Amino acid sequence: GAVVSQHPSWVICKSGTSVKIECRSLDFQATTMFWYRQFPKQSLMLMATSNEGSKATYEQGVEKDKFLINHASLTLSTLTVTSAHPEDSSFYICSARDWGGSTDTQYFGPGTRLTVL
Amino acid sequence: QQQVKQSPQSLIVQKGGISIINCAYENTAFDYFPWYQQFPGKGPALLIAIRPDVSEKKEGRFTISFNKSAKQFSLHIMDSQPGDSATYFCAASHNYGQNFVFGPGTRLSVLP
Repeated sequence: GAVVSQHPSWVICKSGTSVKIECRSLDFQATTMFWYRQFPKQSLMLMATSNEGSKATYEQGVEKDKFLINHASLTLSTLTVTSAHPEDSSFYICSARDWGGSTDTQYFGPGTRLTVL
Repeated sequence: QQQVKQSPQSLIVQKGGISIINCAYENTAFDYFPWYQQFPGKGPALLIAIRPDVSEKKEGRFTISFNKSAKQFSLHIMDSQPGDSATYFCAASHNYGQNFVFGPGTRLSVLP
């Protein structure tokens, strides 16, 4: 299957700082990427849909000013958690839509564990 | 209508046994049903997926059974191995690779 990478795999930051997480599709171009949040032993919660060259679409209840998403190229989307607080600590996972030929599905990155002190 | 229900919440199976996880949905517009496997601390990995024009799809030890009239689909893992121990998520979408709705997950433990 297609490969999606995330960087960093884990990050610890102080409250009030901003953290940027990168998501890359390594062997395919992704016009659409997705950002999910996952709490321990829970399912994936979609935060936003990122489309290359346009503004992201945020799910209800997700603060767009707090979770800044940029999809500047067909292989890279970034999520910036601004002014992070301990309640933002979570596992953030991106996925990329592989849409070509007979394929149309999402491939997930390995996730980023964010801990805000 | 956007919800996908999944059962059981947890499952314990002996090595060599069959693991069965069930999902149900309400939205008849859903047209794509993937299953993902997730190990602790890792991202979900696509296992197998099905579209509603077929009733069954098999890939190795993994089989999806799909019942369109009942709006249910299930994952069968044959000859379950300890390495299969993970959390499994079903999902559904009404635009193939877009707008996934995930089930709550099933934690599978395969005993050696």
